[in-house]
Amino acid sequence: NAGVTQTPKFRILKIGQSMTLQCTQDMNHNYMYWYRQDPGMGLKLIYYSVGAGITDKGEVPNGYNVSRSTTEDFPLRLELAAPSQTSVYFCASSYPRNTEAFFGQGTRLTVV
Amino acid sequence: RKEVEQDPGPFNVPEGATVAFNCTYSNSASQSFFWYRQDCRKEPKLLMSVYSSGNEDGRFTAQLNRASQYISLLIRDSKLSDSATYLCVVNSFTGGGNKLTFGTGTQLKVEL
Repeated sequence: NAGVTQTPKFRILKIGQSMTLQCTQDMNHNYMYWYRQDPGMGLKLIYYSVGAGITDKGEVPNGYNVSRSTTEDFPLRLELAAPSQTSVYFCASSYPRNTEAFFGQGTRLTVV
Repeated sequence: RKEVEQDPGPFNVPEGATVAFNCTYSNSASQSFFWYRQDCRKEPKLLMSVYSSGNEDGRFTAQLNRASQYISLLIRDSKLSDSATYLCVVNSFTGGGNKLTFGTGTQLKVEL
């Protein structure tokens, strides 16, 4: 099994550009999450989803949008990129409640 | 108050030492608890779950005190390969579903 796959692994954006970070999982997990991790800091929850068609805001949702049209995919959209969005973005998935979350390898994004 | 708080460290210890990390959480309704390990520039990976009865996995022992809202991780006989950041993770059930909240992590450096 591939687990959680994120693309791209690296990206440089110019201020004001847009992009979509892709995340897909093949474990049939209901729950999916997007986190960002700034250098030397912990993970902050951006958005999460408890199933297809359902999404909810996390701690730092501003400047991002998500959709969950299928169980497998949970793309994260950045509109009008800003330098403050320079970070490492991790996607994760899990079964409902009390279970381990599996992470993708991360997307390193730099906005210049 | 942060939902999950950890001492950021770094903890610099000699090989063979015993080291303990602590974590406190603010949501008394939190349901499950984990320790994750994160190596530099890599995705977090589950180290162990934390149960009220305490649990042990080789050199690692985790404890949970629900009354004090406190979680601990003890590492005995530290190895160079234990050098990493250890993340305390709390799983809470909200109206929208499960939410995993990460502490900022405690950095461990094991030295010769």
